[in-house]
Amino acid sequence: AQSVTQLGSHVSVSEGALVLLRCNYSSSVPPYLFWYVQYPNQGLQLLLKYTSAATLVKGINGFEAEFKKSETSFHLTKPSAHMSDAAEYFCAVSSNYGQNFVFGPGTRLSVLP
Amino acid sequence: DAGVTQSPTHLIKTRGQQVTLRCSPKSGHDTVSWYQQALGQGPQFIFQYYEEEERQRGNFPDRFSGHQFPNYSSELNVNALLLGDSALYLCASSFRQGGMNTEAFFGQGTRLTVV
Repeated sequence: AQSVTQLGSHVSVSEGALVLLRCNYSSSVPPYLFWYVQYPNQGLQLLLKYTSAATLVKGINGFEAEFKKSETSFHLTKPSAHMSDAAEYFCAVSSNYGQNFVFGPGTRLSVLP
Repeated sequence: DAGVTQSPTHLIKTRGQQVTLRCSPKSGHDTVSWYQQALGQGPQFIFQYYEEEERQRGNFPDRFSGHQFPNYSSELNVNALLLGDSALYLCASSFRQGGMNTEAFFGQGTRLTVV
């Protein structure tokens, strides 16, 4: 069975500071990994995805994530936080690209002025 | 391209009632998945429809059922509503190609409140 853990249900950073959101997964098969962002009262928007091509994945809005198989991690980073980054972030795993996702519990990112 | 559209956006139902939620996939997509997102939690997979059949199902009771129409749109039905069914219901669509699916796009969701 697949599962996803996200350390820290709430992360606060100052505007301009580094953003680091943690994600660890367990999967019995090579996984597809995703980061989604959810703004209040909206659906999910794909930030980036890992599909075994490159371990460092660049996404939209300046976010990137690195797949580390030895650590079963897929942490999300952004060098400089912007106020508009405040949202809920979900890490997800799938054994079949685009098929049923297993989502983590989410991390709420607050950006302080 | 309108993307994935869901209706209604909000609705309130009473315990024991039945509800139907609707989803129109993104143009060109033929696969629809449904997710339940309880408040403060990540989405949980309910089921997926392809070629008008349920292909995969998550850990949800039989009170949750669905349908896919020839135009690829889909409905989610929930019978005998419980207070615990209150959640945001998300629909995601994708295109199946060679046994794999393309990137999934999510709709804005339907907020169901059971009172």
